[in-house]
Amino acid sequence: GENVEQHPSTLSVQEGDSAVIKCTYSDSASNYFPWYKQELGKRPQLIIDIRSNVGEKKDQRIAVTLNKTAKHFSLHITETQPEDSAVYFCAASRNNAGNMLTFGGGTRLMVKP
Amino acid sequence: AAGVIQSPRHLIKEKRETATLKCYPIPRHDTVYWYQQGPGQDPQFLISFYEKMQSDKGSIPDRFSAQQFSDYHSELNMSSLELGDSALYFCASSSRIGDLDLDEQFFGPGTRLTVL
Repeated sequence: GENVEQHPSTLSVQEGDSAVIKCTYSDSASNYFPWYKQELGKRPQLIIDIRSNVGEKKDQRIAVTLNKTAKHFSLHITETQPEDSAVYFCAASRNNAGNMLTFGGGTRLMVKP
Repeated sequence: AAGVIQSPRHLIKEKRETATLKCYPIPRHDTVYWYQQGPGQDPQFLISFYEKMQSDKGSIPDRFSAQQFSDYHSELNMSSLELGDSALYFCASSSRIGDLDLDEQFFGPGTRLTVL
């Protein structure tokens, strides 16, 4: 089955700096890669996703890049703000009727004001 | 917009008891997923249903069972509860019909199960 590795497990940045979180996946058949933000005790919320036919996607301060050959994808957050502090999960899935998500271990991002 | 509804939000049970968690997907969503998230862990996929049929099975213990009903809501039944079953249980839904995104899964608020 799919295995997703995520690094780093914790990340502390100063407000205004950029943050980068990296993930690798094992299943070459995976073709959908979402990123979720989860605050303590709350539900995971989708912040951005990318499909295997796209190399990069951007939404305001958030961008995701995908390298299918190397089987890794990254989340980039620019101009970080204290409210960006949360746990971020990457995930991977195949596009079929099942579509189960396999999550990375998560990154705790702390943005210091 | 309507979101995924889960009930109950909190549940406290004793060891060896049973529990039933309910999930009501977003209207017109036909796929339901169940995930278990232990403290400090990532969500682990348990099981999913598409059009009331089981479509994928993950790390769901034999003590657990689930089904999706004709109105698309789903229930996760947990028997012989163990201390290690204490976790947040999330339901998510997605759709393959209309112009809704095929892949995006919308998560419910979760049910926090505590087994004493």
